[in-house]
Amino acid sequence: AQSVTQLDSQVPVFEEAPVELRCNYSSSVSVYLFWYVQYPNQGLQLLLKYLSGSTLVKGINGFEAEFNKSQTSFHLRKPSVHISDTAEYFCAVSNFGNEKLTFGTGTRLTIIP
Amino acid sequence: GAVVSQHPSRVICKSGTSVKIECRSLDFQATTMFWYRQFPKKSLMLMATSNEGSKATYEQGVEKDKFLINHASLTLSTLTVTSAHPEDSSFYICSARDSRGLTSYGYTFGSGTRLTVV
Repeated sequence: AQSVTQLDSQVPVFEEAPVELRCNYSSSVSVYLFWYVQYPNQGLQLLLKYLSGSTLVKGINGFEAEFNKSQTSFHLRKPSVHISDTAEYFCAVSNFGNEKLTFGTGTRLTIIP
Repeated sequence: GAVVSQHPSRVICKSGTSVKIECRSLDFQATTMFWYRQFPKKSLMLMATSNEGSKATYEQGVEKDKFLINHASLTLSTLTVTSAHPEDSSFYICSARDSRGLTSYGYTFGSGTRLTVV
C-alpha cells in the first residue's frame, strides 16, 4: 500500500518570500509523484510530476520539486510567491502498474501582502 | 494539452431524486477515468475506477448501487447519484488518464461538481 503525508495543513507566507511545502510518501515499490494545485471550487491542476530521470523537476508557475528517494520526500518549492499562489496544494503518489492516485491531506498556502 | 470537461459545475436537487454528472475527455481518449469525492477542507477520496466497456471498480465502503458509474465510450464517463440524500452533498471530481500513458499527460482532472441535496 502507498501513502502520502503532508505535515503542514496551513502555511502562511509573506508575498515575495520563498516557500517550501513538504511531502513524504511511503511505498514498497517505485513511485510516480505529483503536485496539484486547487483553487476554490475548482478541480485540480497539475503543477509538476516526477516519473523518472532527473530528481529536480520544474513545473508551472515557477514551482519546482525535488525527489529524494533516501528520505522518501518530494517537497515543493518556489523562490518568490505571489498573491495568486494562494490555493490548496496536494501531493499525490502512484505506483508503476497501479493507476490509482493516493493524495495527501493538502496544504493551504496563504500569501500575506 | 489534455482537457477534461465536467458538467454540471453546480447542481441542487431534492432529497430522493437522482443526479447525473458527466465527465468528458475533450482531446484525448481515456480508457480509465476516476471519480473522487472531496469533503470540505479535506483531501480527495477515490470512489471508483471506471474502465471503458466494463464495470467500474469501487473502493471499499462506496455503495455501488447508490453511485452508478457508466463508461460507455473512450471519452465519456458518468456518475449518477441515485436517491440522493443530504449526506451525499459534496464536491465530486473526475479524472481521466490519457491512454497514451503517464509519460505524456498523466492524469487530468475535471473542474468538479458541487452537489447540494436539500
